[in-house]
Amino acid sequence: GAVVSQHPSWVICKSGTSVKIECRSLDFQATTMFWYRQFPKQSLMLMATSNEGSKATYEQGVEKDKFLINHASLTLSTLTVTSAHPEDSSFYICSARDIGGGAPDTQYFGPGTRLTVL
Amino acid sequence: GEDVEQSLFLSVREGDSSVINCTYTDSSSTYLYWYKQEPGAGLQLLTYIFSNMDMKQDQRLTVLLNKKDKHLSLRIADTQTGDSAIYFCATGSGYSTLTFGKGTMLLVSP
Repeated sequence: GAVVSQHPSWVICKSGTSVKIECRSLDFQATTMFWYRQFPKQSLMLMATSNEGSKATYEQGVEKDKFLINHASLTLSTLTVTSAHPEDSSFYICSARDIGGGAPDTQYFGPGTRLTVL
Repeated sequence: GEDVEQSLFLSVREGDSSVINCTYTDSSSTYLYWYKQEPGAGLQLLTYIFSNMDMKQDQRLTVLLNKKDKHLSLRIADTQTGDSAIYFCATGSGYSTLTFGKGTMLLVSP
């Protein structure tokens, strides 16, 4: 149980294009999902908290117009990197909080998406 | 802000026990977590402990919590090469975001 998927698992795009990453909770409902960015050999950096049916809450320093988040249903959140540039290349990981059980903070993570911007 | 500290690297031999340590500053931390990340993958929840517990055991994993010293540890018994990964400690205070440490890379040699 508590499986989270991400799609795509990796993507290569040209500078200036937009890329959409999907995060799905497959066997539970998630009113809250989180988007993280991870640089090589470094810890996770929380980018934003996504709440179903409302606007995302962005962490300080994260450009909301560049990283668009939509959480339209209890099982799907999307992150769109707009006008991507090489410095946006990173490993993006989503997580989802199960409203149905476990410790209240518990987050279940997707497998991550490797974005490379040329 | 709140902080979670971990040692960055641990090397053990196969069959030995591994102990990964974590300290945190947020005294309101209610749940404390251990996650495992293998290369190129997301984080896998290993276990968590509620702050009113001192110890939790789950097969080869033992979590010890010293709430007074704000110290958490994860012991892996009979460590295997498949346990090689990065281990993250994280704290939460109930329906909150999690605060993660920088991760401890565990290397298990045959």
